[in-house]
Amino acid sequence: QQPVQSPQAVILREGEDAVINCSSSKALYSVHWYRQKHGEAPVFLMILLKGGEQKGHEKISASFNEKKQQSSLYLTASQLSYSGTYFCGTSRNDYKLSFGAGTTVTVRA
Amino acid sequence: DTGVSQDPRHKITKRGQNVTFRCDPISEHNRLYWYRQTLGQGPEFLTYFQNEAQLEKSRLLSDRFSAERPKGSFSTLEIQRTEQGDSAMYLCASSLSTGDSPLHFGNGTRLTVT
Repeated sequence: QQPVQSPQAVILREGEDAVINCSSSKALYSVHWYRQKHGEAPVFLMILLKGGEQKGHEKISASFNEKKQQSSLYLTASQLSYSGTYFCGTSRNDYKLSFGAGTTVTVRA
Repeated sequence: DTGVSQDPRHKITKRGQNVTFRCDPISEHNRLYWYRQTLGQGPEFLTYFQNEAQLEKSRLLSDRFSAERPKGSFSTLEIQRTEQGDSAMYLCASSLSTGDSPLHFGNGTRLTVT
């Protein structure tokens, strides 16, 4: 039930854009996105519930394609502070999240 | 909102010893989760409480692992007869009961079994 994330890692220069994908083989109730910096706890970014909505958080936004059981996280005009490992968490009910292996994003000046 | 706190931050133990970790969730959160994270991987679900009731436990969790949440407040995770494969970061998270509530993670307890 663990979702599959791609790519595993991405290196960006400040101001560049990136897309992180998350896919599941099962029907989903929701998708969560978290960012974890080295040695710290994962920090919540956003939730997408089934319905195909797109959400935004500053220059980070996400979409959820319910039919394809896929979500994408969009990093726009990346900043140094965007560096970290991004995890998608998927849920088939309203309480249990299964996390992907993560995508490590490195933003360089 | 003081956040989720976990104690201890680090624990080094010898194989075969028992260890216990504590988690204090955000006070108004009635859901509490334990996850395990190893290097290069995402958090792996271990167990989940709704108030004091343990509603789900991962099938991957052996009988050496037990968790409690007396009175629906703090929670403890005990590992008996530790093995080297138990070495990991143990994360606690809490949330409200609505379906669109995010998980708030603590900073974790890093367990090293020698």
